Amino acid sequence: DAKTTQPPSMDCAEGRAANLPCNHSTISGNEYVYWYRQIHSQGPQYIIHGLKNNETNEMASLIITEDRKSSTLILPHATLRDTAVYYCIVRDNAGNMLTFGGGTRLMVKP
Amino acid sequence: DTGVSQDPRHKITKRGQNVTFRCDPISEHNRLYWYRQTLGQGPEFLTYFQNEAQLEKSRLLSDRFSAERPKGSFSTLEIQRTEQGDSAMYLCASKRQENTEAFFGQGTRLTVV
Repeated sequence: DAKTTQPPSMDCAEGRAANLPCNHSTISGNEYVYWYRQIHSQGPQYIIHGLKNNETNEMASLIITEDRKSSTLILPHATLRDTAVYYCIVRDNAGNMLTFGGGTRLMVKP
Repeated sequence: DTGVSQDPRHKITKRGQNVTFRCDPISEHNRLYWYRQTLGQGPEFLTYFQNEAQLEKSRLLSDRFSAERPKGSFSTLEIQRTEQGDSAMYLCASKRQENTEAFFGQGTRLTVV
């Protein structure tokens, strides 16, 4: 699975959009971009995934650049409960496990 | 859908003792995964099952570790002769098939003293 690079930490004001970047310059054509988050003392929680096109669900939006070498997870209106570590993972759908990096620790502040 | 359940949530044991953790996956999820997470790090893959077959094991899974999923439903992870370095959160996840998202349990936090 391709490696990803994320900033170790970010702050966001409550109610504002949180934009979390991820670089995956070695991604190959059949690899998807997955995002999970982990709130303190809980297991990781799936957020969203995509291949080429931008994706949106009830939790977030995923913007993937045209060359697919980077992506951004957008939480449109961050709340205090969105404070968590966010992991960007690249893998193909035949992959048997998720390879987590260090993630981005997002702190949403009032 | 009751989610992935792990038991116990916390375990404190003395060095050298054996411990066993249980994971109950979401019903009808045929794939089950075990991960280990130490403080400040992301989860690391240990092993996974498709139904009752253990298909892959990480190098992290030393011979003191054994995992089973005897009837393709719940799974157990046993650590023999625990060491202080085994202190970590042990996470279980399940999924239906290849191209679906994995659902994680709350984890079992092991402390070896």
